[in-house]
Amino acid sequence: ETGVTQSPTHLIKTRGQQVTLRCSSQSGHNTVSWYQQALGQGPQFIFQYYREEENGRGNFPPRFSGLQFPNYSSELNVNALELDDSALYLCASSSGGRTNEKLFFGSGTQLSVL
Amino acid sequence: TQLLEQSPQFLSIQEGENLTVYCNSSSVFSSLQWYRQEPGEGPVLLVTVVTGGEVKKLKRLTFQFGDARKDSSLHITAAQPGDTGLYLCAGKVNSGYALNFGKGTSLLVTP
Repeated sequence: ETGVTQSPTHLIKTRGQQVTLRCSSQSGHNTVSWYQQALGQGPQFIFQYYREEENGRGNFPPRFSGLQFPNYSSELNVNALELDDSALYLCASSSGGRTNEKLFFGSGTQLSVL
Repeated sequence: TQLLEQSPQFLSIQEGENLTVYCNSSSVFSSLQWYRQEPGEGPVLLVTVVTGGEVKKLKRLTFQFGDARKDSSLHITAAQPGDTGLYLCAGKVNSGYALNFGKGTSLLVTP
C-alpha cells in the first residue's frame, strides 16, 4: 500500500508567479484535501475534492484552485503568488467520501515566495 | 480567528516526566483528533474521539474529550525523547468538510 506522495518537496518562486503542486493519494482513497501550514501555525483548510469535484472550500481567495483526476491524484494551483503564500502545503487523502475522518497526510511541499 | 486554542505553545521537559496538553474551543465539535507532526513531515493521526467524556489510551498517551465536546486533553506519562514533536488537535464542526487545527504544542523531551 503506497502512502500519500507530494511533489516537489521544495520550491522557490517570486511574487506574481504561478505554481502547481501535485499529490498522489493513498491507494484506494477517493478524497483529497489540501492544507496550508504557515510557520508556527497549524494547518489551514484550503479545499477538498471528492470524485473529481470540489465539495468544500476554506477561506482562501480564488487564485487558489485545484483539480482531481480520475485516478484521484490532485493538483493545487496558486496564481499571482504573494509573499504570504510562503508555507508548507499539505495534501491529505481519505476514503469513503464526506464523512470519513481518518486523513493520511503527505510530507508536504515547502513553498518559498521571494 | 483560531477555532481551537492549544496550551501550552511550547513545552520542554526531561525524560520520565508527565505532561498534559490542552485544546479548548467555544464551539462544539462532532469529533476531535490529535496528530503528531515531526519536522519535514506531515501530521500523523494519533486518535479520534467522538463521544463527550470519552477517554482513549494509546500506550503512554491518554486522550480525553470534554463532556460538552468543546475541549480535549492529551496526557503523556513518563515522556521519552521519541515523544518530541508538534502535537496538533483538530476538529470538525457539525458535518463540515474542513478539519480545523489548533496552532499546536511543540514538545521537546530531553534525555
